[in-house]
Amino acid sequence: TQLLEQSPQFLSIQEGENLTVYCNSSSVFSSLQWYRQEPGEGPVLLVTVVTGGEVKKLKRLTFQFGDARKDSSLHITAAQPGDTGLYLCAGAGTGGFKTIFGAGTRLFVKA
Amino acid sequence: NAGVTQTPKFRVLKTGQSMTLLCAQDMNHEYMYWYRQDPGMGLRLIHYSVGEGTTAKGEVPDGYNVSRLKKQNFLLGLESAAPSQTSVYFCASSLVRREGYTFGSGTRLTVV
Repeated sequence: TQLLEQSPQFLSIQEGENLTVYCNSSSVFSSLQWYRQEPGEGPVLLVTVVTGGEVKKLKRLTFQFGDARKDSSLHITAAQPGDTGLYLCAGAGTGGFKTIFGAGTRLFVKA
Repeated sequence: NAGVTQTPKFRVLKTGQSMTLLCAQDMNHEYMYWYRQDPGMGLRLIHYSVGEGTTAKGEVPDGYNVSRLKKQNFLLGLESAAPSQTSVYFCASSLVRREGYTFGSGTRLTVV
């Protein structure tokens, strides 16, 4: 069974701090997505990474796909209260038809 | 663009009742999915469809049925609701599987 483990599960930081969220698996993925979800809403796609070692930047957010395509990280620079939310990673398997989701990292940024 | 629209947004059912959740997308996506989200367990795939007229089972299909008679609509049915089906249900769609999903805003279902 494929599993995606996210860490930490919960993070509470002050505005202006940096943070990194991790997404790890023993399985290889053909692509990996990161989403952000706010209370009462569905997840919103932030980025998709497909190549091992790939780095993508979205303003203050930096996403990296591991060289072996088994893990990924999300780094936020100078966090703002607007970054508060649940961050989910999701991996698309190399065989069959199944995308699996991690349980998420709940981030709270205090002003 | 409306994207993915789910109805209803909230529903309370008694054990044994039935209901249908409706999902509609206006992006001409081929793939559509139904997920349930429970605390600490992430999103789990219930059923999915790779095109009009097709459906397939996901990770947790028991107790649910689906239909995709039109490309833009994907219906999720509960024939006899159980308290274990209390959850938040999300519909999603995608053009191709690797590129990520567009989600609806969810349906919060409580079975008492």
